[in-house]
Amino acid sequence: KQEVTQIPAALSVPEGENLVLNCSFTDSAIYNLQWFRQDPGKGLTSLLLIQSSQREQTSGRLNASLDKSSGRSTLYIAASQPGDSATYLCAVGGFIRSGNTGKLIFGQGTTLQVKP
Amino acid sequence: GAGVSQSPSNKVTEKGKDVELRCDPISGHTALYWYRQSLGQGLEFLIYFQGNSAPDKSGLPSDRFSAERTGGSVSTLTIQRTQQEDSAVYLCASSRDRGTEAFFGQGTRLTVV
Repeated sequence: KQEVTQIPAALSVPEGENLVLNCSFTDSAIYNLQWFRQDPGKGLTSLLLIQSSQREQTSGRLNASLDKSSGRSTLYIAASQPGDSATYLCAVGGFIRSGNTGKLIFGQGTTLQVKP
Repeated sequence: GAGVSQSPSNKVTEKGKDVELRCDPISGHTALYWYRQSLGQGLEFLIYFQGNSAPDKSGLPSDRFSAERTGGSVSTLTIQRTQQEDSAVYLCASSRDRGTEAFFGQGTRLTVV
């Protein structure tokens, strides 16, 4: 059974710091990994999608890496801003061993607070 | 449409009543997902539709829960004889195909009183 873990559960940093959020998963036979952001009371916003054949993706100040063999992904946020405060969720998608389903399995998230 | 649309945005129902939650995915997306998020909790997978394949229902918590997807587009999640523990935000997502980027709706907040 695929399990996804995110560390730390919560993080508070001063504005301007670079930071790294961690995601680990137990079954490496995945199609992709996706990072989302969730603001309080809102739905999820897709940030980055990494296909299984890729090692990283970048969007603006965000960089996500994927190491399938070790079951790890990191989300790097450069020069953090108060507007980055939110919960960040990683989800692994599709399980090759099962041969069919593309469902996403989520971690519990990291709640980030960036203080001005 | 421009994004995934869910209705209603909020639903308050009495214990024991049936409810229907609707999801309109992005046009052309073949994959559709339902998740549940209880207060302060992570996302719990409920059901996944992919094209004309049989849906993956492995996350449905009980036989009170069912979902259908008509014409490969709109989906309805039905909860029969609602219980207080069903109170949560129900989130729907769609993606162009399996293994592609998933986009979420804003969710339906269900409160069972």
